[in-house]
Amino acid sequence: AQSVTQPDIHITVSEGASLELRCNYSYGATPYLFWYVQSPGQGLQLLLKYFSGDTLVQGIKGFEAEFKRSQSSFNLRKPSVHWSDAAEYFCAVMEYGNKLVFGAGTILRVKS
Amino acid sequence: SQTIHQWPATLVQPVGSPLSLECTVEGTSNPNLYWYRQAAGRGLQLLFYSVGIGQISSEVPQNLSASRPQDRQFILSSKKLLLSDSGFYLCAWRIGQGAFEAFFGQGTRLTVV
Repeated sequence: AQSVTQPDIHITVSEGASLELRCNYSYGATPYLFWYVQSPGQGLQLLLKYFSGDTLVQGIKGFEAEFKRSQSSFNLRKPSVHWSDAAEYFCAVMEYGNKLVFGAGTILRVKS
Repeated sequence: SQTIHQWPATLVQPVGSPLSLECTVEGTSNPNLYWYRQAAGRGLQLLFYSVGIGQISSEVPQNLSASRPQDRQFILSSKKLLLSDSGFYLCAWRIGQGAFEAFFGQGTRLTVV
């Protein structure tokens, strides 16, 4: 079964507009959740993470994400997108036994 | 500080040839190590992960294998490459115990021709 679902393959937003990338997980225990960003041909960079505590977590580059246990979601948000945010974004969950599983990714395009 | 090295950056190999990709981590002990493959439009697929020397978990039965001969070394291999093995291969590590994120290498672009 798919542990992490990112329902949007591509998203296009205008520069300056707000952004929300969706992520749903299926994991019985309290999850460790992550968002990573990947520029073309590069490795992955961590944006933010959730382990416990405050369900709204702040990350780098102005991103934030909210953990909602009732909805099994961990959506990524940014209030105002910049052209440099165009990249592919991955949500990930750490499963039992240190198995780190990623979603299929969402490609973000920013139009000027 | 910890660093991860992955090489080569790009590789073009003929079908049927062997493969060896190496990943090493510096500055930490007993890390969890991971191999992922990223094919066009298919996201990031977990291939293998290891929580210790000689301990390999395989996620996808396929033409590849992995080994961990030393604590901070993780090798991805194939005896005979297939066209479908083409893709972008990423190695990652994380601290073995506790709630920590993973850190990624810069990846290897493998093209099988």
